[in-house]
Amino acid sequence: AQSVTQLDSQVPVFEEAPVELRCNYSSSVSVYLFWYVQYPNQGLQLLLKYLSGSTLVKGINGFEAEFNKSQTSFHLRKPSVHISDTAEYFCAVAMDSNYQLIWGAGTKLIIKP
Amino acid sequence: DAGVIQSPRHEVTEMGQEVTLRCKPISGHNSLFWYRQTMMRGLELLIYFNNNVPIDDSGMPEDRFSAKMPNASFSTLKIQPSEPRDSAVYFCASSFDFSYEQYFGPGTRLTVT
Repeated sequence: AQSVTQLDSQVPVFEEAPVELRCNYSSSVSVYLFWYVQYPNQGLQLLLKYLSGSTLVKGINGFEAEFNKSQTSFHLRKPSVHISDTAEYFCAVAMDSNYQLIWGAGTKLIIKP
Repeated sequence: DAGVIQSPRHEVTEMGQEVTLRCKPISGHNSLFWYRQTMMRGLELLIYFNNNVPIDDSGMPEDRFSAKMPNASFSTLKIQPSEPRDSAVYFCASSFDFSYEQYFGPGTRLTVT
């Protein structure tokens, strides 16, 4: 069965510092990968997605992620975070044959002033 | 487009009462998902419709929960009778086949006392 692992439940980081949120998945078939962001008291919104092509994907708000097939990872990065990036970030995987998304448990990004 | 619309945004009810949550997906989307989010269990998929037909309801916690999609522009999630452990934020999301990308509504915060 497919699964998504977000190893860190919380990541504290100082403002203007770089950050990496980790995501690993398990699947033996082609996958499509997503990062969603949930700001406090809001729904989830798409940050970026990998469907095919370049393994480095750029998203909104200066975030990017790199698909690494050999390591089955899709880590999210930002070179300099702002207080407004405080949110929970979810990694998700879709399989080619199924329109459902398999969700990670989420990582809370905590920005320290 | 107004995005996915959910109503009510907040619902407070007493144990044993019937609760009905409503969702209007984005026009043209043919898949609809109901999720539940709690601190303890994170984001859980309850049921998934494709072209108004329930495809996977394995996430529905018990018979007290039921969902319908009478047409492409409306879905309901009903809990009867409600219990305190049903307290959560319920999200509706929609997508278009072949895109996998899900668009979330703002959620309904349900409190059962």
